[in-house]
Amino acid sequence: GAVVSQHPSWVICKSGTSVKIECRSLDFQATTMFWYRQFPKQSLMLMATSNEGSKATYEQGVEKDKFLINHASLTLSTLTVTSAHPEDSSFYICSVPPGGYTEAFFGQGTRLTVV
Amino acid sequence: AQSVTQLGSHVSVSEGALVLLRCNYSSSVPPYLFWYVQYPNQGLQLLLKYTTGATLVKGINGFEAEFKKSETSFHLTKPSAHMSDAAEYFCAVSDLTGANNLFFGTGTRLTVIP
Repeated sequence: GAVVSQHPSWVICKSGTSVKIECRSLDFQATTMFWYRQFPKQSLMLMATSNEGSKATYEQGVEKDKFLINHASLTLSTLTVTSAHPEDSSFYICSVPPGGYTEAFFGQGTRLTVV
Repeated sequence: AQSVTQLGSHVSVSEGALVLLRCNYSSSVPPYLFWYVQYPNQGLQLLLKYTTGATLVKGINGFEAEFKKSETSFHLTKPSAHMSDAAEYFCAVSDLTGANNLFFGTGTRLTVIP
């Protein structure tokens, strides 16, 4: 199966600062990647679809200016949480939907804590 | 549109007892169905999946699930719980459009009592 690497696995930042999370597809090219957010004791909710070479597609209620997504290459998508606030503290996880498989592959996730 | 309902946010079983985690789905098209397991502060690991064919699917770690179209269910079972099975379990559905976007249930936390 595909290998997806997400970095960092955890980060603590001060309120008002920005944090970048990377999602790498290590063994195949991905034109699309998904970013999910998971609040404590809740399920994963799709935030946005990252599209290589074009703008990301955001789900309703997700602020595109706050959660900047860049998919500059076929193996890397980044999610930047800008001007982070404590309510942005969450578990962020990316997934890659490989065309030849029937299931998505997930990164290890990033635990963001904003203090 | 797809949606998933997991009955019971918390399930506790004794070590060696049967594990049953319930999942019902709603889909306007024939679904792909998945069970994922999440250990604390880790990503999701695929346990098993149903796409087509045999409705009883076997996964890793002794888990299996049966797709019942008439009941729109995909319950996860394991005959004998092990301490290492304690984790969060998510049922998910995707459509067949190829986008592979997953819709997740709210998750069930499994506790195994020694």
